Amino acid sequence: EVQLVESGGGVVRPGGSLRLSCAASGFTFDGYGMTWVRQAPGKGLEWVSTTNWNGGSTGYADSVKGRFTISRDNTKNSLHLQMNSLRAEDTALYYCARAHDPANDFGPPGYWGQGTLVIVSS
Amino acid sequence: QSALTQPPSASGSPGQSVTISCTGTTSDVGNFNYVSWYQQHPGKAPKVMIYDVTKRPSGVPDRFSGSKSGNTASLTVSGLQAEDEADYYCSSYAGRNNLVFGGGTKLTVL
Repeated sequence: EVQLVESGGGVVRPGGSLRLSCAASGFTFDGYGMTWVRQAPGKGLEWVSTTNWNGGSTGYADSVKGRFTISRDNTKNSLHLQMNSLRAEDTALYYCARAHDPANDFGPPGYWGQGTLVIVSS
Repeated sequence: QSALTQPPSASGSPGQSVTISCTGTTSDVGNFNYVSWYQQHPGKAPKVMIYDVTKRPSGVPDRFSGSKSGNTASLTVSGLQAEDEADYYCSSYAGRNNLVFGGGTKLTVL
């Protein structure tokens, strides 16, 4: 069974940094692209970033480009999101998600974790 | 990276069918057959209902179906049931390692 468990969320001041992690199990981690998606309170889903199977190719939403960095450690079956220069508008539930298809790292994800909450507030 | 366009709400009575549209551009929906639909109940994580435009994951009832014409993808829910009441989101690959989501549609079962 595919399991994705996010951690690292919390309350941070504007301008601060936070590192999210996602522990993956139940599948061959290095066979799939991985994605972060966020959802602000009461709002819709917003794509944040995706990495291919080995971290060698990535994509970022314009809203986070230059501030967030996605990475993965295939030896530890883990995905990370380093978030710097945080803003109030980054407040959201952050989901870790796995690609549906091993042949399509950057397509819409097929499996989702339960999310970790990030609150940016002074 | 503009969001895909979905109607904010849709509704139908039990047993009826309802279709939710998802309009993009030639840069996303119109150019790739990588469109997925997600169902999200309050306080829950999204669940994929349709992927690759028309494919249904195992365990998803065949009452759910997907299609695409030009720049618009659609999700049809037939034989509406009370448990289908939820928010629905579409998503499409948008090229250059980008992904895009729709704004979401709240489906109400009357």
